[in-house]
Parts: sequence; structure tokens; C-alpha cells
Amino acid sequence: EVQLVESGGGLVQPGRSLRLSCAASGFTFDDYAMHWVRQAPGKGLEWVSGISWNSGSIGYADSVKGRFTISRDNAKNSLYLQMNSLRAEDMALYYCAKGQMDYGDYAFDYWGQGTLVTVSS
Amino acid sequence: EIVLTQSPGTLSLSPGERATLSCRASQSVSSSYLAWYQQKPGQAPRLLIYGASSRATGIPDRFSGSGSGTDFTLTISRLEPEDFAVYYCQQYGSSSWTFGQGTKVEIK
Repeated sequence: EVQLVESGGGLVQPGRSLRLSCAASGFTFDDYAMHWVRQAPGKGLEWVSGISWNSGSIGYADSVKGRFTISRDNAKNSLYLQMNSLRAEDMALYYCAKGQMDYGDYAFDYWGQGTLVTVSS
Repeated sequence: EIVLTQSPGTLSLSPGERATLSCRASQSVSSSYLAWYQQKPGQAPRLLIYGASSRATGIPDRFSGSGSGTDFTLTISRLEPEDFAVYYCQQYGSSSWTFGQGTKVEIK
């Protein structure tokens, strides 16, 4: 059974940093691309960032480019999101999602339950 | 960036009725790289349809997707009580991913 478990969310002041983690199990982690998608309270889904199986291809939404960094550790079956210079508009539930393929164009076939990031002074 | 516009914003229907949800793209979606997700309150999204018309694993056949280019449709042939939820379309061409704003299917 595929499982994706996010952690690392919490309350953080504007301008500070936070690192999210996603622990994956139930599939061969290094065979698939992985992504972060966020959802602000009461709002829709927003793609944040994605990384190919070997970290060779990485992409970011314009809203986080230059502030967020995605990475993965295939030996630990883990995905990460380093979030710097956090803003109020970054407050959201952050989901880890598995791509259907290792790289390229694909949908997200499994999602975690999310970790909540609250940005407030 | 491709912008996806979903309509209607809310669909009020009764169990057993047919639901038709629309997703329109601001430019052509390459190779029909269009997916649909279902999200229930307090839950993560679930993949229903990918490649515009292929059902994901375990998805009942009352869910079907169609369309190409800039116009796509998700149809639920007969609504079951568990189908009342928010539905999002997503395009994933050229290694970029964007979502529509969602359509809520509510019980009439």
C-alpha cells in the first residue's frame, strides 16, 4: 500500500524558514517523480514544486521560485521542501504527491494527508 | 502558463442524476494531458481521470472523461451519495502543472 506521510509543518513568523518532509513507503521511491501541492484554507489546489526521480529535473511555481527548494533522498525514501522567507500567502496545507512516472508529463496518483503551515507573527 | 477555468462553480443535483463538469484551458493542452481529481472535506485529493479519458485504478465506471484541445468534460453518469465533493481539473503538459479552481457538486 502506497503511503505518503508529511511532517514539519507548524507556526512560523513571516520571513522565517521551515523544512517539510515526506516519508514514502509501499512503492519503489526512486522510480517516480514527486511533488508538493498546497491548499490555502478554503481555497483550491496550487502546484508548488516537483522533482524527477534522480533530481535531474526540478520545477517551481513562480510564486515560490527563489524562496523554496525541493530535494529528495532516495536512500531514505524521503522528499523535502525547504521554505525560506515565508510570507502570509504561503500559509496552507502542504501535500506531498507521487507522480505516475519518473519524469516528464504525468498526473499525481497518490497524495499524503498534508502538513499545515501557518505563517503569522 | 495555461489557465484552467472550471464551470459551473457549484452544481446542485440529487443522487441518481447525471453530473457534467466543464474545464476550459486558455490554450491547447498538449497530448490531452488533462486529469481530474475528487476532494472530499478533510481529505486529500484523489486521482479519477488522467490523459483526459483514462480512469485511474479503482475508479468506478460511472466516472468518465472526454475532450481535447481546450475543452474537457468530467461526467458522473449517476451520482452516488459518496460523489458529492469538489472536483478539480489539472493540466500537466510541458512539465508544468496547473489546476482549475474547482467545481463543488452538492446535494440538492
